[in-house]
Amino acid sequence: DQQVKQNSPSLSVQEGRISILNCDYTNSMFDYFLWYKKYPAEGPTFLISISSIKDKNEDGRFTVFLNKSAKHLSLHIVPSQPGDSAVYFCAASEVSGANSKLTFGKGITLSVRP
Amino acid sequence: DTAVSQTPKYLVTQMGNDKSIKCEQNLGHDTMYWYKQDSKKFLKIMFSYNNKELIINETVPNRFSPKSPDKAHLNLHINSLELGDSAVYFCASRDLAGGQGTDTQYFGPGTRLTVL
Repeated sequence: DQQVKQNSPSLSVQEGRISILNCDYTNSMFDYFLWYKKYPAEGPTFLISISSIKDKNEDGRFTVFLNKSAKHLSLHIVPSQPGDSAVYFCAASEVSGANSKLTFGKGITLSVRP
Repeated sequence: DTAVSQTPKYLVTQMGNDKSIKCEQNLGHDTMYWYKQDSKKFLKIMFSYNNKELIINETVPNRFSPKSPDKAHLNLHINSLELGDSAVYFCASRDLAGGQGTDTQYFGPGTRLTVL
């Protein structure tokens, strides 16, 4: 029972163009969402997050959009760079405090072509 | 100045053996986690500890026993290793005292366990 879904396993974009990575969730109790980036043989690195009280959060080239009614979020990377090539995980949590835990999607492999 | 470190990075062992993976964080966080990334690439939580106290146990077999000697360390001991235990295990930490909106967890580099 996947509560966080990243249905596209991979995405390839040209350097300088926009990368749009999508994520859907089924648990309406999720109230905090995060994106992690992972290079091979390394741990996931936090990229950007958004609370359910917002619909957009921006940090430099990275913007996350949240559509609560559609239970959908997306990560936009503009402009895309070859160093952005990695696996991107969407994650969500529903509880704050000590019992908080992250539920991850399967990840999307982004390739940025020079 | 690694924030979350794990040892060893690679671990190859035979079925039936007992092994341990160590995790340390120097971020001053009070909550630590163990995740398993299986062959299907899903990252799934196994345990969480807050100030040395077990908080989350996601129905992991009792062959897996986490131990937290202090809030900067969370080790994972696995008894009677099975083929299905082969995976990458990630440690993570979080600053629970940061309050609402600080569910951000910081991950270690992972330990690739191969059971032969």
